[in-house]
Amino acid sequence: AQTVTQSQPEMSVQEAETVTLSCTYDTSESDYYLFWYKQPPSRQMILVIRQEAYKQQNATENRFSVNFQKAAKSFSLKISDSQLGDAAMYFCAYRSRNDKIIFGKGTRLHILP
Amino acid sequence: GAVVSQHPSWVICKSGTSVKIECRSLDFQATTMFWYRQFPKQSLMLMATSNEGSKATYEQGVEKDKFLINHASLTLSTLTVTSAHPEDSSFYICSAREAFFGQGTRLTVV
Repeated sequence: AQTVTQSQPEMSVQEAETVTLSCTYDTSESDYYLFWYKQPPSRQMILVIRQEAYKQQNATENRFSVNFQKAAKSFSLKISDSQLGDAAMYFCAYRSRNDKIIFGKGTRLHILP
Repeated sequence: GAVVSQHPSWVICKSGTSVKIECRSLDFQATTMFWYRQFPKQSLMLMATSNEGSKATYEQGVEKDKFLINHASLTLSTLTVTSAHPEDSSFYICSAREAFFGQGTRLTVV
């Protein structure tokens, strides 16, 4: 069975600085998708970034980028120029071929003004 | 963009009563809807997958008779918590596709 591990329950970063959230996963599949979701205090789940496993190029969305290491089964999220609005829970997630999404336990990110 | 509308956003009910949560896809057809449960400060746990026109697929450990899921049309999926008990109190979220989540429903059973 696939698993997603986020080893950092909480992290803090100074406003305008860069922070990297870690995620590792385990799977025997070769074709899958990886995601990072943001859940602010409103608890609305927001898709931040998406990576297709067969693509070697790391996905980027404005200030958000990933470091996808397929062989190491690692999928970290880098947030550049952190803003107060980035404070939230961040979930790493894996989607298998049958469309079921598996979430990690999450990392709570604090932004220090 | 595509939106999933979930109602109610919060509900308080008495033990033993049933509560229905609705999720509607507003501008697209959702043949599949995923239902999650989230305890405070924890991750989302998949409860079941509903498919339009067929029976829902439940995850291991989820009581089918307690959490009734219906996907009657391509735009509506419902989760009914039957004979609710305080331990059913939680945050329930629906999702159609990876990018479209409902706003969530906070259920409190007293």
